[in-house]
Amino acid sequence: GAGVSQSPRYKVAKRGQDVALRCDPISGHVSLFWYQQALGQGPEFLTYFQNEAQLDKSGLPSDRFFAERPEGSVSTLKIQRTQQEDSAVYLCASSDVSFSRATEAFFGQGTRLTVV
Amino acid sequence: AQTVTQSQPEMSVQEAETVTLSCTYDTSESDYYLFWYKQPPSRQMILVIRQEAYKQQNATENRFSVNFQKAAKSFSLKISDSQLGDAAMYFCAYRNTNAGKSTFGDGTTLTVKP
Repeated sequence: GAGVSQSPRYKVAKRGQDVALRCDPISGHVSLFWYQQALGQGPEFLTYFQNEAQLDKSGLPSDRFFAERPEGSVSTLKIQRTQQEDSAVYLCASSDVSFSRATEAFFGQGTRLTVV
Repeated sequence: AQTVTQSQPEMSVQEAETVTLSCTYDTSESDYYLFWYKQPPSRQMILVIRQEAYKQQNATENRFSVNFQKAAKSFSLKISDSQLGDAAMYFCAYRNTNAGKSTFGDGTTLTVKP
């Protein structure tokens, strides 16, 4: 596709509900990242995939957060038993090569999750 | 762990004037990359400019340039001839050469006055 696409754009969940956020990266992009952005703050790293392999999940805040990218393209971030502190914008980014150059990451527009 | 600090939560500039946004970072690595991203209200982050730490020459992209001071761990962004469309939140980001993830500052909100 032309850019990184995320869906839904907005999600309201009741506390305790499970949610799934989808990311369609730019076609052919090897690397995919998830970030969490709280209001008025910078993005915080959650997890990173290279193709289908999850190489770094050090930023996932708890075991309620789970991400997958089974075929090396579309990725889903799942949050189980949502809590109010999970309210944030979830950003997905992709890039076409790994670390050897100052590769630009292309970001989606994010999913704004509100837990009520 | 690397940290990125943007000490100016808000800045404003008159249209056509020049403004400088500050960024400092902390790392023990000698080789890394630095980025400035722009995030308009639509939320989509857009790369403005990038700098490779091994390059001494400051990066320039049209009206945007950086002042990279490696010893001081400083990476400021200068916007010349500011335009109304430059109004956005600007994030400074750091990335190791051997890691995928980036570390972001908390951003500076730039207002451009007509």
